[in-house]
Amino acid sequence: GQQLNQSPQSMFIQEGEDVSMNCTSSSIFNTWLWYKQDPGEGPVLLIALYKAGELTSNGRLTAQFGITRKDSFLNISASIPSDVGIYFCAGHDRGNAGNMLTFGGGTRLMVKP
Amino acid sequence: DGGITQSPKYLFRKEGQNVTLSCEQNLNHDAMYWYRQDPGQGLRLIYYSQIVNDFQKGDIAEGYSVSREKKESFPLTVTSAQKNPTAFYLCASSKAGTSNQPQHFGDGTRLSIL
Repeated sequence: GQQLNQSPQSMFIQEGEDVSMNCTSSSIFNTWLWYKQDPGEGPVLLIALYKAGELTSNGRLTAQFGITRKDSFLNISASIPSDVGIYFCAGHDRGNAGNMLTFGGGTRLMVKP
Repeated sequence: DGGITQSPKYLFRKEGQNVTLSCEQNLNHDAMYWYRQDPGQGLRLIYYSQIVNDFQKGDIAEGYSVSREKKESFPLTVTSAQKNPTAFYLCASSKAGTSNQPQHFGDGTRLSIL
């Protein structure tokens, strides 16, 4: 099945830094979702986006639904150690029937030694 | 608290053995899903069910089977035909209907070969 192109694949963060990651698709999406997965646990929904251009915040996290409907961005401001984990983007492809999600490959956030 | 419960947390399979992973939800969701996650990888869809007594194959259904006899339950059987079963298995559920419903995940079952 189709996968979203998520980047970067991994990045090191230092406490206090801002972090950005993005997802792109070759097709138009109706919905963009951002999840965080801690080691050994299931992904937890962070932010859901439903309209092109929509900008939504959840605490220090801000996500945007791209105007073209083919991309989305997640920003984390003033990162803290508990931000470490894997972030996944996911979306509903406009051409897909039902409620099937397409997932990105994930962005792994690690603490800079 | 409403949520999705997966059990067991860890499971070991012997050669030639079938094993069943449990997934129960009390969110009153119509749709349920099974995903496989390999180390450093994203999620791949195994099976999904939009309604009781109906289910569909996902991208990697070979070697797996499911049933959906009750709305709350969607067990996954990893059969002996699945030659590389070692992975982290995630169950999810969502409201059905329109395509804008987020999926919510359980905490996963880690399956290993003995």
